[in-house]
Amino acid sequence: NAGVTQTPKFQVLKTGQSMTLQCAQDMNHNSMYWYRQDPGMGLRLIYYSASEGTTDKGEVPNGYNVSRLNKREFSLRLESAAPSQTSVYFCASRDGWVNTEAFFGQGTRLTVV
Amino acid sequence: RKEVEQDPGPFNVPEGATVAFNCTYSNSASQSFFWYRQDCRKEPKLLMSVYSSGNEDGRFTAQLNRASQYISLLIRDSKLSDSATYLCASLVSNDYKLSFGAGTTVTVRA
Repeated sequence: NAGVTQTPKFQVLKTGQSMTLQCAQDMNHNSMYWYRQDPGMGLRLIYYSASEGTTDKGEVPNGYNVSRLNKREFSLRLESAAPSQTSVYFCASRDGWVNTEAFFGQGTRLTVV
Repeated sequence: RKEVEQDPGPFNVPEGATVAFNCTYSNSASQSFFWYRQDCRKEPKLLMSVYSSGNEDGRFTAQLNRASQYISLLIRDSKLSDSATYLCASLVSNDYKLSFGAGTTVTVRA
């Protein structure tokens, strides 16, 4: 019963480096989400994928790209990391029905120096 | 304007007290609402979904007011273990966008 798995759990990048955050869910959920969390800011939606084959921008998409690789996997890419992208990143997934909850991964703590 | 806004708190209450706080949403197309609990920046976990005009789960009561576009959470008989950040979320059902507020911090003291 893995649920939502994020890798890596911790990462330090230098400014300008690129990396991909991985997220996989084993609950056969249709929708997947990427959020970032900064102190006092709650969860801010970066991108989401309502279903396999679709992606949409959220509140703070600049500097990020996403790929819904298949129904299970939804990756987040930072092409050229900036210190402002230092944050905790959470991936979540949920079934497509209206009243169903989202389940979260354990988060990736990213520091850009 | 953020889609979901919350009372930031912090709410500092004694054990046994009742505490309540609100969340407002701006998108009238929002159809589902949720309260999540988050401990020490761990992953959020569902506390309760909010259906219809509201629902109750033990010491927790959530209410929904669609006309005024807000939901509330009330915690009765607060326990030390209720100390956490409570996140409000709204789902726009036609595009599955799930948005969260900034969270309300609650500290229950002995």
